[in-house]
Amino acid sequence: EAQVTQNPRYLITVTGKKLTVTCSQNMNHEYMSWYRQDPGLGLRQIYYSMNVEVTDKGDVPEGYKVSRKEKRNFPLILESPSPNQTSLYFCASSLMAGVRYNEQFFGPGTRLTVL
Amino acid sequence: QKEVEQNSGPLSVPEGAIASLNCTYSDRGSQSFFWYRQYSGKSPELIMFIYSNGDKEDGRFTAQLNKASQYVSLLIRDSQPSDSATYLCAVNMYYRGTSYDKVIFGPGTSLSVIP
Repeated sequence: EAQVTQNPRYLITVTGKKLTVTCSQNMNHEYMSWYRQDPGLGLRQIYYSMNVEVTDKGDVPEGYKVSRKEKRNFPLILESPSPNQTSLYFCASSLMAGVRYNEQFFGPGTRLTVL
Repeated sequence: QKEVEQNSGPLSVPEGAIASLNCTYSDRGSQSFFWYRQYSGKSPELIMFIYSNGDKEDGRFTAQLNKASQYVSLLIRDSQPSDSATYLCAVNMYYRGTSYDKVIFGPGTSLSVIP
């Protein structure tokens, strides 16, 4: 089954404890992206990647890191989480970058709480 | 700051009526426009995609784009209770030959279809 998977689905952690949220897609997609979703603010892009070893900042990159060492994986790293990073996080992928049709397929989401 | 705005809602329509969802964007460099539907607790899924001025129809859904007015809308005809969800407008900006390929989402409009 073609899908985007994220782990963990739920995470409660404490301020300053490094964490990684994994994202993997099995569709051979070039473009991958991370979003956070907060009430009233919609989805905001954190980082995106057009292909292996190519990553760029979205609109809210502060406090986050990403890497794209393999085409299928795009982990999101919070080196020192803070309470304002409590949010619902979505990973998404699409077939190609730099084209008009860029339908994104979303993972199931990761609900993160930072105490 | 590039922005995408949507009517705040919630929007309530009776079953069988036409639901009209609106979206405006600030960046004239925007190239592709998407409508995603998100059920409560679920991931967004693509409803419609449009990049040329005018109307695009797919079943009960019609997307309308007016680049001069920087406006995109979604009409849902014969609304059904199963259409009750949050509708997200998304704008894609990219520059070929560069690594710039951002997607900006609006805050979403909540639609409720009353039986």
